[in-house]
Amino acid sequence: NAGVTQTPKFQVLKTGQSMTLQCAQDMNHEYMSWYRQDPGMGLRLIHYSVGAGITDQGEVPNGYNVSRSTTEDFPLRLLSAAPSQTSVYFCASSYSPPGTVGSEKLFFGSGTQLSVL
Amino acid sequence: GENVEQHPSTLSVQEGDSAVIKCTYSDSASNYFPWYKQELGKRPQLIIDIRSNVGEKKDQRIAVTLNKTAKHFSLHITETQPEDSAVYFCAASGGGTSYGKLTFGQGTILTVHP
Repeated sequence: NAGVTQTPKFQVLKTGQSMTLQCAQDMNHEYMSWYRQDPGMGLRLIHYSVGAGITDQGEVPNGYNVSRSTTEDFPLRLLSAAPSQTSVYFCASSYSPPGTVGSEKLFFGSGTQLSVL
Repeated sequence: GENVEQHPSTLSVQEGDSAVIKCTYSDSASNYFPWYKQELGKRPQLIIDIRSNVGEKKDQRIAVTLNKTAKHFSLHITETQPEDSAVYFCAASGGGTSYGKLTFGQGTILTVHP
């Protein structure tokens, strides 16, 4: 199993550009999520999905869109990049959603370092 | 929504000493409390977790305690080793409006000096 695969690893954008961060998992996990990591602020939840066709907003959803058309894939779209979106982005998945008394261990991708100029 | 506060932000210990990291949470409905370790340049990895129906859980040199009444939980690392140096994150999750959401604390940078 490859686990959670994120692409690209690095990306530089200009303000106003759009792009999609790709995330795929091969563990048949129902739950997938996107976090951004900024110094001193921990990991902040952007969007999450508890199954194919179901998505919801996290703590910091503004400026980002997601979709979950298949169990395996959960892409994150930046609609119009802003310097405030410069961050490290992590995709993470688990068999069960957090707090559901199942298998909730999150498996993280390797991260995408995004710079918006 | 849930709010998780983590202290201290940095912690420096000598090899062999114990380290304690504390977190508080705001949502009394939260029922799942994991801890993640992130080494420099790497992805976070789960090291231990605890549910709200358990007061303490131990795994070798690592233990977590939970006080539901006070809404705080702590990570204890005994006999620290240089390879324990990393950033540690606590998190909380629960039902109701927080279903599916895992809220992380701000992180603690632990440095273990040989």
